[in-house]
Amino acid sequence: ETGVTQSPTHLIKTRGQQVTLRCSSQSGHNTVSWYQQALGQGPQFIFQYYREEENGRGNFPPRFSGLQFPNYSSELNVNALELDDSALYLCASSLVGRETQYFGPGTRLLVL
Amino acid sequence: EDQVTQSPEALRLQEGESSSLNCSYTVSGLRGLFWYRQDPGKGPEFLFTLYSAGEEKEKERLKATLTKKESFLHITAPKPEDSATYLCAVQETAGANNLFFGTGTRLTVIP
Repeated sequence: ETGVTQSPTHLIKTRGQQVTLRCSSQSGHNTVSWYQQALGQGPQFIFQYYREEENGRGNFPPRFSGLQFPNYSSELNVNALELDDSALYLCASSLVGRETQYFGPGTRLLVL
Repeated sequence: EDQVTQSPEALRLQEGESSSLNCSYTVSGLRGLFWYRQDPGKGPEFLFTLYSAGEEKEKERLKATLTKKESFLHITAPKPEDSATYLCAVQETAGANNLFFGTGTRLTVIP
């Protein structure tokens, strides 16, 4: 059974740029959630995708957007990067009707 | 609004010195309470899900318990490899099944 994978592992961008992060869900899982974790904080919910549609959203601006593909993999896109977007971005997959979410290793984003 | 408060923020234990971590929560309707372990720079690793008051779950040196207002993670005779940040999260009955996390307890076990 393959776990959740994310790419890239880390990247550096400058303010104003755009970034795309990728996630492959655990085998058999059809729901993907994205979280942002600032240093020393707990993860914060960005949004969730199920059946290729957004299924809920946290308190993040529209410049954070996402996609889910037919194979349940997902992308997180962030436009007009700000310094405060520097964080560990986590993807978690789950099976609808089952509550437990399993996390990937994360992508460390640094915005300069 | 959901709230999760974890205490203490940091805990240093001698190897073999048992202790408990606390997670207090406020949620309109609890679907589940989750414990994760997170090593520096890595994603959270799932430990336990608890659904109702009185429930207990165990895994090796860890035991999680749940009441209507808080959860405890008991660590018995910890080893240095138990050093990590332990995160507590709640999931509401309504909404998108997202997890609402506390800020974690950073545990250091000294040999």
